[in-house]
Amino acid sequence: DAGVIQSPRHEVTEMGQEVTLRCKPISGHNSLFWYRQTMMRGLELLIYFNNNVPIDDSGMPEDRFSAKMPNASFSTLKIQPSEPRDSAVYFCASSLEGQGVGYEQYFGPGTRLTVT
Amino acid sequence: QQQVKQSPQSLIVQKGGISIINCAYENTAFDYFPWYQQFPGKGPALLIAIRPDVSEKKEGRFTISFNKSAKQFSLHIMDSQPGDSATYFCAAPRGFAFDRGSTLGRLYFGRGTQLTVWP
Repeated sequence: DAGVIQSPRHEVTEMGQEVTLRCKPISGHNSLFWYRQTMMRGLELLIYFNNNVPIDDSGMPEDRFSAKMPNASFSTLKIQPSEPRDSAVYFCASSLEGQGVGYEQYFGPGTRLTVT
Repeated sequence: QQQVKQSPQSLIVQKGGISIINCAYENTAFDYFPWYQQFPGKGPALLIAIRPDVSEKKEGRFTISFNKSAKQFSLHIMDSQPGDSATYFCAAPRGFAFDRGSTLGRLYFGRGTQLTVWP
């Protein structure tokens, strides 16, 4: 099992540019999460998909951020235009949810984004 | 909004000592409290979790203690080792039983505790 795959691992871009982060969840998982990690704010949930449908996007900072999940094996997080304050490590995680409560989330290695 | 307060922010322990990290939560519709461990340059990974109707869960050197009336839970690492040096996050369920469908997998994470175990 390859685990959750994220690309790129590192991204350096200039302010105003568009950034696209990619995620391939674990095969068979039905939920996908995008998180942002910074020293100041810790680990923040940005958006949560279940069965490819966005369920909770209340953590998306502003309209510059958008996320899509066109199918069960792929998701993107796009920032347009990017700003220096978007610099952070972005994690994608997936899980297999059923009728119970409490499911393990499997995190990818993260994408370290630096906006200059 | 559900908040999870974690302390301490950092912890230095001698090898062989006991590491204790505490978390407090507000309201939740169900009891599932996981701890995640994160090494530098890696994503967090589930370490241990406690489920409903259990006040303590032990796995090897790691123990979760859960106090429902106080809305607190803690992680104890016995015989701490240098390899335990990492950042530890507690988490609590986000969302309630009446949310859409059975999509109850969201978590609020604490701010993290950076543990350093000296040899």
